[in-house]
Amino acid sequence: GESVGLHLPTLSVQEGDNSIINCAYSNSASDYFIWYKQESGKGPQFIIDIRSNMDKRQGQRVTVLLNKTVKHLSLQIAATQPGDSAVYFCAENSYNTDKLIFGTGTRLQVFP
Amino acid sequence: KAGVTQTPRYLIKTRGQQVTLSCSPISGHRSVSWYQQTPGQGLQFLFEYFSETQRNKGNFPGRFSGRQFSNSRSEMNVSTLELGDSALYLCASSLEAAGMSGYTFGSGTRLTVV
Repeated sequence: GESVGLHLPTLSVQEGDNSIINCAYSNSASDYFIWYKQESGKGPQFIIDIRSNMDKRQGQRVTVLLNKTVKHLSLQIAATQPGDSAVYFCAENSYNTDKLIFGTGTRLQVFP
Repeated sequence: KAGVTQTPRYLIKTRGQQVTLSCSPISGHRSVSWYQQTPGQGLQFLFEYFSETQRNKGNFPGRFSGRQFSNSRSEMNVSTLELGDSALYLCASSLEAAGMSGYTFGSGTRLTVV
């Protein structure tokens, strides 16, 4: 399959700190990127998206940065809260692949 | 507005049996995509239906099939179940084809093959 998920990297942060989750994407033609959050027992939930004509987009407490030169995407969460604990996936899409392809995922653990 | 609804939430089947999973997309969404999620392989694309037509398919054997009805509801079928088919099957709906406006996922159907 197109999505490879072997070992899930884990990021542990203290409540109140900022979190940065990174993602390397593979297709230089990708023009749409999304971050999803998945809590245990639930489906992925949309957080924020960005198109390739932008390099930064902000939402509520979240910021996505896109660096097309090195094919890198990051999700920044400000003032991380216990409710942010989940697995975070980046996903890329393009008109030539014609489907959303997910990255491996990163587990975010927030401790008090 | 109602989200994406998947039924059933849990299923236990025996090897060799077949199974049908159902997905009701968000009202007005015409694209429905299916993903298989396992701990070892992550989220893998199965197929996408748009306006009752399969417009894209992932790298899965022919035992995996699907369809979409005129009301955009979709079903996927897995025949001759194998132990390795045990997974969380996720359905996602989108306004545009190929999720270029983002997908909304359902909570999934947890299939266990014994």
